[in-house]
Order: sequence, then structure tokens, then C-alpha cells
Amino acid sequence: IQMTQSPSSLSASVGDRVTITCRASQSINSHLNWYQQKPGTAPKVVIYAASNLQSGVPSRFSGSGSGTDFTLTIRSLQPEDFATYYCQQTYSTRNSFGQGTKLEIK
Amino acid sequence: EVQLVQSGGVVVQPGGSLRLSCAASGFTFDDYTMHWVRQAPGKGLEWVSLISWDGDTVYSADSVKGRFTVSRDNSKNFLYLEMNSLRAEDTALYYCAKDGEMVRVNQGYFDYWGQGTLVTVSS
Repeated sequence: IQMTQSPSSLSASVGDRVTITCRASQSINSHLNWYQQKPGTAPKVVIYAASNLQSGVPSRFSGSGSGTDFTLTIRSLQPEDFATYYCQQTYSTRNSFGQGTKLEIK
Repeated sequence: EVQLVQSGGVVVQPGGSLRLSCAASGFTFDDYTMHWVRQAPGKGLEWVSLISWDGDTVYSADSVKGRFTVSRDNSKNFLYLEMNSLRAEDTALYYCAKDGEMVRVNQGYFDYWGQGTLVTVSS
């Protein structure tokens, strides 16, 4: 299953609301996760099963979607949110990730 | 505290072999499916392989199938990735990761990750 994220990169300012999209090449129901990765560190899950906020993740993060189209929204961006975000499908036993979206400070 | 501690980085020649290890602690290891994920330098994440909590179910990406083998020792709380016939394109940081729910093979998420092991395939 191919996962396509858009955009590949995004410039935004502190306080902005941003949305990242992820499209699957076939239906994956709600088996879609979002990870945040900062340079030199392992990824960290922020949203699992499309819309569930991982424990300890700020409520400004939210996810939605099902089937083939999904979104990650971050409202009121904070300095610590600038990172690369990846979607991941686990519908198939051969999991796959999107190519990533780099969120940069404008 | 959940910890996944991986073995150190290595350089190996093309065609060579290597075994990565991941030591787990802070949770009941034999209740959770474990995964390997890799990241080539400057690139995105690529899922590599999974092994179920009991070791009975294994899946691998097409890019490594027949060359890489995932295994686990539940008596020692260790996860392994045996890598054979290594190629330059296998150069990457390899992460082990834990599934977020007990006794589930797939359709979950990865809630804890190791620190990564850098594998460099070069002559």
C-alpha cells in the first residue's frame, strides 16, 4: 500500500494552524498513525488509529479521516512542533510510511 | 520505564552479514509484537519486519525478504535482526519498535522506539 503525503514541506509561523494530508493507495479503514520526528531522535507517535491522541501529546494535535484520506492538524503551532511528520498505515501486514512532511519555521 | 536499547553501529562490506540486537525492559516483552524500521541517511522511514509476541508470525518488506530474518528470545527479552547479503542500499539507521497493544500482530502503532543502530554497507 502506497502512502502519499502532502505537502512535502511546509513553512509556518508560531501560532499558525497547519494541516498535513496523507492518502493511501487503497482503503486502510482507520489504521493510520502519525509520527513526529526531530533531527537525531527516534520518531514519536502523536496520533494513532486516525484520530486518537497518544498519551502525553498536546491537545493542539488532532487527526481525522478513514478509508483513503487522512489529515493531521496542528492548531496554534508551538516552537517544539517544528519537525518532520510521517503517516503510517498498519492495515496491511506489510506496514508502510508516507515520505514525510517537513514543517519549518517561517 | 520502557526501554529499548540497541547494539552499536557497524560497518560491513557488501555481501556481508550482521546481526542487530535490541534489549527490551520495563514491560512484559512476550506480550508484544515487535518491529524493525530503517531510515537511510537523509531519507524517510521504511518498515522492515515484524515478529509477533510468540515468534510464530513474521512478515518482512519485499526489499529485504529472503535476506533479513527477524527473531526474538523471550527468555532474555531480546529482539534480533539477522541481515545477510548486504547491499549499499541497506545503509541506514535501524530502529526496533514496540507495538502499542498486547497480543496483536498488526493494525496497531509503535509506542516505543530504540535509539537506532547505524549500519553502513561499504567496501
